[in-house]
Amino acid sequence: EIVLTQSPGTLSLSPGERATLSCRASQSVRNKYLAWYQQKPGQAPRLLIYGASSRATGIPDRFSGSGSGTDFTLTITRLEPEDFAVYYCQQYGSSFTFGPGTKVDIK
Amino acid sequence: QVQLQESGPGLVKPSEILSLTCAVSGTSISTYQWSWIRQPPGKGLEWIGYVYYTGRAYYNPSLESRVTISVDTSKNQFSLKLSSVTAADTAIYYCARLYYDYSFNSWGQGTLVTVSS
Repeated sequence: EIVLTQSPGTLSLSPGERATLSCRASQSVRNKYLAWYQQKPGQAPRLLIYGASSRATGIPDRFSGSGSGTDFTLTITRLEPEDFAVYYCQQYGSSFTFGPGTKVDIK
Repeated sequence: QVQLQESGPGLVKPSEILSLTCAVSGTSISTYQWSWIRQPPGKGLEWIGYVYYTGRAYYNPSLESRVTISVDTSKNQFSLKLSSVTAADTAIYYCARLYYDYSFNSWGQGTLVTVSS
């Protein structure tokens, strides 16, 4: 099973700042089957990025994903008030696993 | 636009079977694959399994001995059964559509299931 580690656990930033979230896999993620989700309190997760770098439908272009192999990054170029949330990465190998999440909160 | 809606008991007794159904609208269940994911209160996400419209299913190895996911194409819905539940199975259970690239691109709102006597 591929284990995903996310860092930092919490990121405290101000609106307008840039957020850089890391997701590291214990083994190489094949075919870039790596996705990112945003979850707000009381809501289901929402797909942001699939295939490591493709934005899902309706996702603003301030969200971008990059990486391959074992190291992946989600970048939010300018934080909007609605972006403060928890972010999860997820991979598919022979099974599906999620990272523990990074909470982006207001500084 | 695809919509998913979970339904089922919110309270299950220890050692009993947890049963949930996910109704799919806006698309035929015969496209894509369909999954269950859970989230204990205040914790992270855990994939449970997914099913094809043919009925073939794949499960998380850690839950495989207790899980059955089935599909009813006539009702455009799929279901989850988890046996021998304990308090550790208390969670919000989400149904989701599994996209071709192995991401979950549509989710239900989730339903909280509490295991307690």
